[in-house]
Amino acid sequence: EDQVTQSPEALRLQEGESSSLNCSYTVSGLRGLFWYRQDPGKGPEFLFTLYSAGEEKEKERLKATLTKKESFLHITAPKPEDSATYLCAVQAQTDSWGKLQFGAGTQVVVTP
Amino acid sequence: DAGITQSPRHKVTETGTPVTLRCHQTENHRYMYWYRQDPGHGLRLIHYSYGVKDTDKGEVSDGYSVSRSKTEDFLLTLESATSSQTSVYFCASRAGGGRNEQFFGPGTRLTVL
Repeated sequence: EDQVTQSPEALRLQEGESSSLNCSYTVSGLRGLFWYRQDPGKGPEFLFTLYSAGEEKEKERLKATLTKKESFLHITAPKPEDSATYLCAVQAQTDSWGKLQFGAGTQVVVTP
Repeated sequence: DAGITQSPRHKVTETGTPVTLRCHQTENHRYMYWYRQDPGHGLRLIHYSYGVKDTDKGEVSDGYSVSRSKTEDFLLTLESATSSQTSVYFCASRAGGGRNEQFFGPGTRLTVL
Protein backbone atom coordinates (compact mmCIF):
# COMPACT_ATOMS: atom_id res chain seq x y z
CA GLU A 1 0.00 0.00 0.00
CA ASP A 2 1.30 3.46 -0.91
CA GLN A 3 2.21 5.58 2.08
CA VAL A 4 3.40 9.13 2.59
CA THR A 5 4.77 10.28 5.95
CA GLN A 6 5.71 13.87 6.68
CA SER A 7 7.88 15.03 9.55
CA PRO A 8 7.92 16.88 11.75
CA GLU A 9 4.19 17.43 12.30
CA ALA A 10 4.86 21.00 13.38
CA LEU A 11 7.84 23.32 13.21
CA ARG A 12 8.36 26.67 14.86
CA LEU A 13 11.14 28.84 13.41
CA GLN A 14 12.60 32.23 14.12
CA GLU A 15 12.72 34.54 11.12
CA GLY A 16 15.94 33.77 9.24
CA GLU A 17 16.38 30.32 10.82
CA SER A 18 16.67 27.84 7.94
CA SER A 19 15.25 24.35 8.25
CA SER A 20 14.06 21.33 6.29
CA LEU A 21 10.82 19.37 6.08
CA ASN A 22 10.83 15.68 5.27
CA CYS A 23 8.45 13.61 3.13
CA SER A 24 9.17 9.89 3.06
CA TYR A 25 7.20 7.65 0.76
CA THR A 26 6.66 4.03 -0.15
CA VAL A 27 5.19 3.51 -3.60
CA SER A 28 5.63 0.88 -6.25
CA GLY A 29 7.44 3.17 -8.64
CA LEU A 30 7.13 6.95 -8.57
CA ARG A 31 5.46 8.90 -11.36
CA GLY A 32 5.72 12.19 -9.53
CA LEU A 33 6.05 13.85 -6.12
CA PHE A 34 4.23 17.11 -5.45
CA TRP A 35 4.64 19.83 -2.84
CA TYR A 36 1.80 22.16 -1.89
CA ARG A 37 1.42 25.03 0.53
CA GLN A 38 -1.86 25.50 2.39
CA ASP A 39 -2.86 28.60 4.33
CA PRO A 40 -5.60 28.36 7.00
CA GLY A 41 -9.07 28.27 5.49
CA LYS A 42 -7.77 28.01 1.92
CA GLY A 43 -7.15 25.34 -0.68
CA PRO A 44 -3.68 23.89 -1.29
CA GLU A 45 -1.46 25.96 -3.58
CA PHE A 46 0.83 24.08 -5.95
CA LEU A 47 4.58 24.60 -5.42
CA PHE A 48 6.66 21.93 -7.16
CA THR A 49 6.63 18.65 -9.04
CA LEU A 50 9.63 16.31 -8.85
CA TYR A 51 9.94 13.29 -11.10
CA SER A 52 13.26 11.56 -10.55
CA ALA A 53 15.91 11.07 -7.88
CA GLY A 54 18.44 13.87 -7.87
CA GLU A 55 16.00 16.44 -9.21
CA GLU A 56 15.79 19.84 -7.47
CA LYS A 57 13.35 22.74 -7.86
CA GLU A 58 13.56 26.22 -6.34
CA LYS A 59 11.15 29.06 -5.78
CA GLU A 60 12.16 32.08 -3.71
CA ARG A 61 13.18 30.73 -0.27
CA LEU A 62 11.98 27.19 -0.98
CA LYS A 63 13.99 24.37 -2.48
CA ALA A 64 12.65 20.84 -3.01
CA THR A 65 14.87 17.81 -3.50
CA LEU A 66 14.12 14.16 -4.23
CA THR A 67 15.79 10.84 -3.49
CA LYS A 68 14.48 7.33 -4.12
CA LYS A 69 12.73 7.18 -0.74
CA GLU A 70 12.16 10.75 0.38
CA SER A 71 11.89 14.38 -0.49
CA PHE A 72 13.01 17.44 1.44
CA LEU A 73 11.61 20.93 1.37
CA HIS A 74 14.31 23.34 2.49
CA ILE A 75 13.24 26.74 3.72
CA THR A 76 16.13 29.21 3.62
CA ALA A 77 16.03 32.32 5.80
CA PRO A 78 12.26 32.06 6.30
CA LYS A 79 9.99 35.05 6.76
CA PRO A 80 6.70 35.20 8.67
CA GLU A 81 4.81 34.98 5.37
CA ASP A 82 6.24 31.48 4.90
CA SER A 83 4.04 30.32 7.77
CA ALA A 84 1.68 27.67 6.38
CA THR A 85 1.07 23.94 6.27
CA TYR A 86 3.20 22.22 3.66
CA LEU A 87 1.75 19.11 2.03
CA CYS A 88 3.53 16.38 0.12
CA ALA A 89 1.79 13.97 -2.28
CA VAL A 90 2.90 11.12 -4.52
CA GLN A 91 1.54 9.60 -7.70
CA ALA A 92 2.42 5.98 -8.39
CA GLN A 93 4.00 4.98 -11.68
CA THR A 94 1.09 2.60 -12.31
CA ASP A 95 -1.48 5.39 -12.05
CA SER A 96 -2.35 7.45 -15.10
CA TRP A 97 -5.43 9.14 -13.62
CA GLY A 98 -3.67 11.53 -11.29
CA LYS A 99 -4.66 9.76 -8.09
CA LEU A 100 -2.50 11.31 -5.38
CA GLN A 101 -1.62 9.98 -1.94
CA PHE A 102 -1.13 12.88 0.46
CA GLY A 103 0.81 13.11 3.68
CA ALA A 104 -0.74 14.74 6.74
CA GLY A 105 1.38 17.85 6.35
CA THR A 106 3.91 19.88 8.33
CA GLN A 107 2.62 23.04 9.99
CA VAL A 108 5.30 25.73 9.89
CA VAL A 109 5.16 28.88 12.03
CA VAL A 110 7.78 31.56 11.47
CA THR A 111 8.00 34.22 14.19
CA PRO A 112 9.57 37.67 13.73
CA ASP B 1 -3.47 29.11 -11.55
CA ALA B 2 -6.63 27.30 -12.60
CA GLY B 3 -9.80 29.22 -12.00
CA ILE B 4 -11.71 26.90 -9.71
CA THR B 5 -14.68 27.89 -7.63
CA GLN B 6 -16.71 25.86 -5.18
CA SER B 7 -20.21 26.41 -3.90
CA PRO B 8 -21.43 26.71 -1.30
CA ARG B 9 -18.41 27.70 0.78
CA HIS B 10 -20.11 26.76 4.02
CA LYS B 11 -23.09 24.51 4.70
CA VAL B 12 -24.78 23.15 7.78
CA THR B 13 -27.23 20.32 7.27
CA GLU B 14 -28.96 17.58 9.22
CA THR B 15 -28.31 13.87 9.27
CA GLY B 16 -30.19 12.02 6.55
CA THR B 17 -30.58 14.92 4.14
CA PRO B 18 -29.03 14.87 0.65
CA VAL B 19 -26.37 17.48 -0.07
CA THR B 20 -24.79 18.54 -3.36
CA LEU B 21 -21.52 20.44 -3.62
CA ARG B 22 -20.53 22.10 -6.87
CA CYS B 23 -17.13 22.62 -8.45
CA HIS B 24 -16.65 24.86 -11.47
CA GLN B 25 -13.43 25.33 -13.43
CA THR B 26 -12.70 27.72 -16.27
CA GLU B 27 -9.45 26.18 -17.55
CA ASN B 28 -10.94 23.45 -19.76
CA HIS B 29 -9.06 20.84 -17.71
CA ARG B 30 -9.85 17.25 -18.56
CA TYR B 31 -9.45 15.78 -15.07
CA MET B 32 -11.31 16.78 -11.92
CA TYR B 33 -11.15 15.45 -8.36
CA TRP B 34 -13.02 15.62 -5.08
CA TYR B 35 -11.10 15.30 -1.79
CA ARG B 36 -12.01 15.56 1.85
CA GLN B 37 -9.64 16.91 4.47
CA ASP B 38 -9.84 15.87 8.11
CA PRO B 39 -7.39 16.51 10.97
CA GLY B 40 -4.71 13.86 11.11
CA HIS B 41 -5.71 12.29 7.79
CA GLY B 42 -4.53 14.69 5.17
CA LEU B 43 -6.37 14.93 1.89
CA ARG B 44 -8.20 11.78 0.79
CA LEU B 45 -9.60 11.18 -2.68
CA ILE B 46 -13.35 10.60 -2.87
CA HIS B 47 -14.05 10.43 -6.62
CA TYR B 48 -12.41 11.60 -9.79
CA SER B 49 -13.37 12.28 -13.39
CA TYR B 50 -11.33 11.82 -16.55
CA GLY B 51 -13.86 13.36 -18.91
CA VAL B 52 -17.51 14.25 -19.37
CA LYS B 53 -19.60 11.41 -17.95
CA ASP B 54 -16.42 9.47 -17.07
CA THR B 55 -15.96 9.05 -13.34
CA ASP B 56 -14.47 6.54 -10.92
CA LYS B 57 -14.14 5.88 -7.22
CA GLY B 58 -11.32 7.01 -5.01
CA GLU B 59 -10.13 5.88 -1.61
CA VAL B 60 -13.17 6.98 0.45
CA SER B 61 -16.15 6.85 -1.92
CA ASP B 62 -18.78 5.16 0.28
CA GLY B 63 -21.80 7.43 0.76
CA TYR B 64 -20.81 9.76 -2.09
CA SER B 65 -21.71 9.99 -5.75
CA VAL B 66 -20.54 12.35 -8.50
CA SER B 67 -21.63 13.60 -11.86
CA ARG B 68 -19.94 15.47 -14.67
CA SER B 69 -22.25 16.58 -17.45
CA LYS B 70 -20.00 19.38 -18.70
CA THR B 71 -16.22 19.77 -18.79
CA GLU B 72 -16.34 22.69 -16.39
CA ASP B 73 -18.65 21.27 -13.71
CA PHE B 74 -18.14 18.41 -11.26
CA LEU B 75 -20.82 17.74 -8.65
CA LEU B 76 -20.41 15.79 -5.43
CA THR B 77 -23.56 14.41 -3.78
CA LEU B 78 -23.88 13.04 -0.30
CA GLU B 79 -26.87 10.79 -0.74
CA SER B 80 -27.87 10.78 2.93
CA ALA B 81 -25.53 12.89 5.02
CA THR B 82 -24.04 11.45 8.22
CA SER B 83 -22.04 13.12 10.98
CA SER B 84 -18.91 11.28 9.79
CA GLN B 85 -19.14 13.29 6.58
CA THR B 86 -18.55 16.53 8.47
CA SER B 87 -15.37 17.73 6.79
CA VAL B 88 -13.79 20.26 4.48
CA TYR B 89 -14.23 19.29 0.84
CA PHE B 90 -11.84 20.37 -1.88
CA CYS B 91 -12.18 20.13 -5.61
CA ALA B 92 -9.15 20.05 -7.90
CA SER B 93 -8.51 19.96 -11.62
CA ARG B 94 -5.63 18.90 -13.85
CA ALA B 95 -4.96 19.59 -17.48
CA GLY B 96 -3.49 16.21 -18.43
CA GLY B 97 -1.30 15.72 -21.48
CA GLY B 98 1.85 15.54 -19.35
CA ARG B 99 0.76 18.31 -17.01
CA ASN B 100 0.43 16.39 -13.75
CA GLU B 101 -0.02 19.13 -11.17
CA GLN B 102 -3.48 19.58 -9.66
CA PHE B 103 -4.95 22.97 -8.83
CA PHE B 104 -7.34 23.27 -5.94
CA GLY B 105 -10.45 25.26 -5.21
CA PRO B 106 -11.05 27.21 -1.98
CA GLY B 107 -12.98 24.42 -0.25
CA THR B 108 -16.43 23.86 1.23
CA ARG B 109 -16.82 23.43 4.98
CA LEU B 110 -19.70 21.02 5.59
CA THR B 111 -21.18 20.36 9.01
CA VAL B 112 -23.68 17.53 9.45
CA LEU B 113 -25.65 17.78 12.70
